[in-house]
Amino acid sequence: GDSVTQMEGPVTLSEEAFLTINCTYTATGYPSLFWYVQYPGEGLQLLLKATKADDKGSNKGFEATYRKETTSFHLEKGSVQVSDSAVYFCALRRDDKIIFGKGTRLHILP
Amino acid sequence: GAGVSQSPSNKVTEKGKDVELRCDPISGHTALYWYRQSLGQGLEFLIYFQGNSAPDKSGLPSDRFSAERTGGSVSTLTIQRTQQEDSAVYLCASSLGTSGRDEQYFGPGTRLTVT
Repeated sequence: GDSVTQMEGPVTLSEEAFLTINCTYTATGYPSLFWYVQYPGEGLQLLLKATKADDKGSNKGFEATYRKETTSFHLEKGSVQVSDSAVYFCALRRDDKIIFGKGTRLHILP
Repeated sequence: GAGVSQSPSNKVTEKGKDVELRCDPISGHTALYWYRQSLGQGLEFLIYFQGNSAPDKSGLPSDRFSAERTGGSVSTLTIQRTQQEDSAVYLCASSLGTSGRDEQYFGPGTRLTVT
């Protein structure tokens, strides 16, 4: 069945460092791909999405490109901030259901 | 407008007791979803409702779990005879519809602890 695999955390970086969180998926066809973020004490929020191959989703300085050939949707940010500390979930949407990865906790040190 | 709300925010119960978790979706959203977030397991789909259609219960882990949605709005997730492995954060989400373009908006969750 469909699945999402993302790098395990926690990931700890210093402020202004470059961030990559790897995500790969297994699915038939071409599902929509998402990154969700969960800030401390808050609910899940959609961070960015891509609905077809080679699309690039971007928001708040984060980017991810839908790579069909490598079935990947890695999340990147050029310069992280302390306020980016959160748990990040990679996900795919198949019809009416969203299948999530296990989440990656990110700590940014000032 | 208001987002998705859930109550209670925290629930501690004894093993074997029944619990009810409530979700109030965003007004006008026809689709409502329940997920479970267990430590180290990510988010697991449980059930979803779309309008007046029969719910998709394919994700419910056992027959101790059930959910209903009254009047196409508020939903209640019921867990009977709770077990320790039911301890998790239960998340509710709603969306305008079920199109792949319809974003799901999540509530803050209910943290359930079974002792």
